[in-house]
Amino acid sequence: QKEVEQDPGPLSVPEGAIVSLNCTYSNSAFQYFMWYRQYSRKGPELLMYTYSSGNKEDGRFTAQVDKSSKYISLFIRDSQPSDSATYLCAMSPSGSARQLTFGSGTQLTVLP
Amino acid sequence: EADIYQTPRYLVIGTGKKITLECSQTMGHDKMYWYQQDPGMELHLIHYSYGVNSTEKGDLSSESTVSRIRTEHFPLTLESARPSHTSQYLCASSGVLETQYFGPGTRLLVL
Repeated sequence: QKEVEQDPGPLSVPEGAIVSLNCTYSNSAFQYFMWYRQYSRKGPELLMYTYSSGNKEDGRFTAQVDKSSKYISLFIRDSQPSDSATYLCAMSPSGSARQLTFGSGTQLTVLP
Repeated sequence: EADIYQTPRYLVIGTGKKITLECSQTMGHDKMYWYQQDPGMELHLIHYSYGVNSTEKGDLSSESTVSRIRTEHFPLTLESARPSHTSQYLCASSGVLETQYFGPGTRLLVL
């Protein structure tokens, strides 16, 4: 069983929709949680970085962590066609990038 | 904006050839990483470096080797390419805050 599970999609939504992307994990030692966005034929870019449980908001993006359920989410409000990409969750027991475990990514398409 | 570069972006090569994938960053980061990513799959760490002359193997076993002679440069070498090496290779670097910045990747196809 993978340490981090992520629904691969593909997920297709109309422009303006609220998108919810999720990951579950099994390692209770994970403390740092990240979301990356990866456009086709590009490297991943960091979107959100959170520590422990709670919410963090940045513009149209909100990251939510529920450590008791071992569940993290990324919400995208007012989705745009430019949000079409693969979204990867990643997590680490420490702040070390060396110990990052990635999900397999969810492919999102926002239709104009 | 992060400045991390990878060349070539695409490489098609025959079995048995020696190849080197280049990665350079201009951010002065001490830590650098190589990941392998197959389509629709997770990123797997294959090599990392905490500084000049420091290299370690990652969680995923790989027949490739790396070197870190200069802070900004972290090349990956395959002595004898095989079809099983076909994949996307992503280079990343991180500084004090451990936030990783990724390069655009190299798509390798071994025939």
